[in-house]
Amino acid sequence: GAGVSQSPRYKVAKRGQDVALRCDPISGHVSLFWYQQALGQGPEFLTYFQNEAQLDKSGLPSDRFFAERPEGSVSTLKIQRTQQEDSAVYLCASSEDRSRTDTQYFGPGTRLTVL
Amino acid sequence: AQTVTQSQPEMSVQEAETVTLSCTYDTSENNYYLFWYKQPPSRQMILVIRQEAYKQQNATENRFSVNFQKAAKSFSLKISDSQLGDTAMYFCAFMKLHNDMRFGAGTRLTVKP
Repeated sequence: GAGVSQSPRYKVAKRGQDVALRCDPISGHVSLFWYQQALGQGPEFLTYFQNEAQLDKSGLPSDRFFAERPEGSVSTLKIQRTQQEDSAVYLCASSEDRSRTDTQYFGPGTRLTVL
Repeated sequence: AQTVTQSQPEMSVQEAETVTLSCTYDTSENNYYLFWYKQPPSRQMILVIRQEAYKQQNATENRFSVNFQKAAKSFSLKISDSQLGDTAMYFCAFMKLHNDMRFGAGTRLTVKP
């Protein structure tokens, strides 16, 4: 079956612009995660959804970052007034059930470059 | 806070040989999960193997096995009969129950023909 997909794959933004990154999880997966991966580093947790409920947003670095999953499937990560330090690969992952320890399946990521 | 350390930024191995990637972690928890993920140049992270801390038996998945030393807080990955397709970044990750996953900085593995 289809895996996790993300769009766009690449995004270039000028400093101060708003961006929206989309994640399509595996169909039927309850849990959805967003991660930020800086160049040469491991992914860092941003936020977690169980269906449409955002249960953990402790990793969001500032109030410029906002995520939603209104119908419990597709999720969007929005970054307002982008800064150069926001440049990174943004990874989305989904897992089948409610447990956060369930295996996570990752998408290919969106590489965001802020000029 | 839980931290994950991968002390080998880069490693290489000859095709068909065996290689071991190191990972240590720091936690005061007794129950937790450990993972190894592979990230090929295409960038999609793939789960290689997972270990529950309450299980003493080391996990294995075909050519991949782990050496889990709970007291030493060590979780190394052994790849046997290395193949060219094993070339990738390998990330060790830690998760305590009902919490977020913490990744190490990764080890870049190159399998040479």
